[in-house]
Amino acid sequence: DAEITQSPRHKITETGRQVTLACHQTWNHNNMFWYRQDLGHGLRLIHYSYGVQDTNKGEVSDGYSVSRSNTEDLPLTLESAASSQTSVYFCASSDGTGGRSEQYFGPGTRLTVT
Amino acid sequence: GENVEQHPSTLSVQEGDSAVIKCTYSDSASNYFPWYKQELGKGPQLIIDIRSNVGEKKDQRIAVTLNKTAKHFSLHITETQPEDSAVYFCAATSRASKIIFGSGTRLSIRP
Repeated sequence: DAEITQSPRHKITETGRQVTLACHQTWNHNNMFWYRQDLGHGLRLIHYSYGVQDTNKGEVSDGYSVSRSNTEDLPLTLESAASSQTSVYFCASSDGTGGRSEQYFGPGTRLTVT
Repeated sequence: GENVEQHPSTLSVQEGDSAVIKCTYSDSASNYFPWYKQELGKGPQLIIDIRSNVGEKKDQRIAVTLNKTAKHFSLHITETQPEDSAVYFCAATSRASKIIFGSGTRLSIRP
């Protein structure tokens, strides 16, 4: 069965370190998204991609970067981790036109920056 | 900027009663409105969606209504059951086809 996976599921890192969160989908979807989830804020879009070599900034992109070298993967990199980036991160993918179709979410990565 | 407001933030209802969650959006160009359910420790999952060319959509105990003039839409769950306990998110597409989520409603079903 097709799926979307994230790794690691839990990560503790120190302030200033570079961290990469992996996202892999086997749906063959063109669109992939990264969100962060914090209490009281719901899901906020960090970066998104509508295809290979395409990346776009979301509403909370500062301090994060992504690259899309193939259809299946969209890794999220925190260049220099900050305590404000402690959060739960969700990756999602979808087919169809941009945000106008069902998104399939991964199980999430809980990141703690100390 | 584009915004989706969701109310209430928490909701507790007696098993068997109905639950209603309301959302408003700011972008008049929005034309796709999904609802997601998130169970503890899992990612959100789509439960129902509606497009701007219809006013209401039903799927068994779940229904969504859309008022484009007033820019608000609502989720209705009838005959609530314990497994309906979860966090629910509304969302709307923005002009750039990005999806904007509401802040979520924690629904608890009392036995």
